[in-house]
Amino acid sequence: ILNVEQSPQSLHVQEGDSTNFTCSFPSSNFYALHWYRWETAKSPEALFVMTLNGDEKKKGRISATLNTKEGYSYLYIKGSQPEDSATYLCAFKTSYDKVIFGPGTSLSVIP
Amino acid sequence: NAGVTQTPKFQVLKTGQSMTLQCAQDMNHNSMYWYRQDPGMGLRLIYYSASEGTTDKGEVPNGYNVSRLNKREFSLRLESAAPSQTSVYFCATQENSEQYFGPGTRLTVT
Repeated sequence: ILNVEQSPQSLHVQEGDSTNFTCSFPSSNFYALHWYRWETAKSPEALFVMTLNGDEKKKGRISATLNTKEGYSYLYIKGSQPEDSATYLCAFKTSYDKVIFGPGTSLSVIP
Repeated sequence: NAGVTQTPKFQVLKTGQSMTLQCAQDMNHNSMYWYRQDPGMGLRLIYYSASEGTTDKGEVPNGYNVSRLNKREFSLRLESAAPSQTSVYFCATQENSEQYFGPGTRLTVT
């Protein structure tokens, strides 16, 4: 059974704090790892897709790293802002085209 | 371009009633997906369609049927709704591994 886990389940940080959370996935049959940002009452929007071990992606204050050998990815947010409040989903895509989503990390940034 | 659209946005059904959730896309993507989202469980795949005329079961297909009559539209049918099907349903398309989601349908079965 393929399982994707994310931790922590939820997180509350003060505005200006930096934070990070983890996505764990199977280390075999890896094809790609996606991060999505999901705001309340909206649909998930793609942040990053990473395919190579050691990949690092950055978009503004948000960045992500990937370790396919040990099966984890970190998402970092530098200087959190209230508009960063959302659920962050990771999705693991296998080499045989199956996509499994993690349960998400819910981030609340307190002004 | 509308992207991925879903109708209805909200629906309340009684146990045993049937309904069809509609999904349409104007992005010319081959792959389309139906997910359900429940608290603490992320997105779980119900059915997907790799191309027009083909459909395959996902992780939680029981109680659902789908239809992909053309490239644009992928519908999800509940023949006899059960309270366990209370959820938020998302349709998505895919291109180059990236998925594009519709706005969701919030379904309550009483």
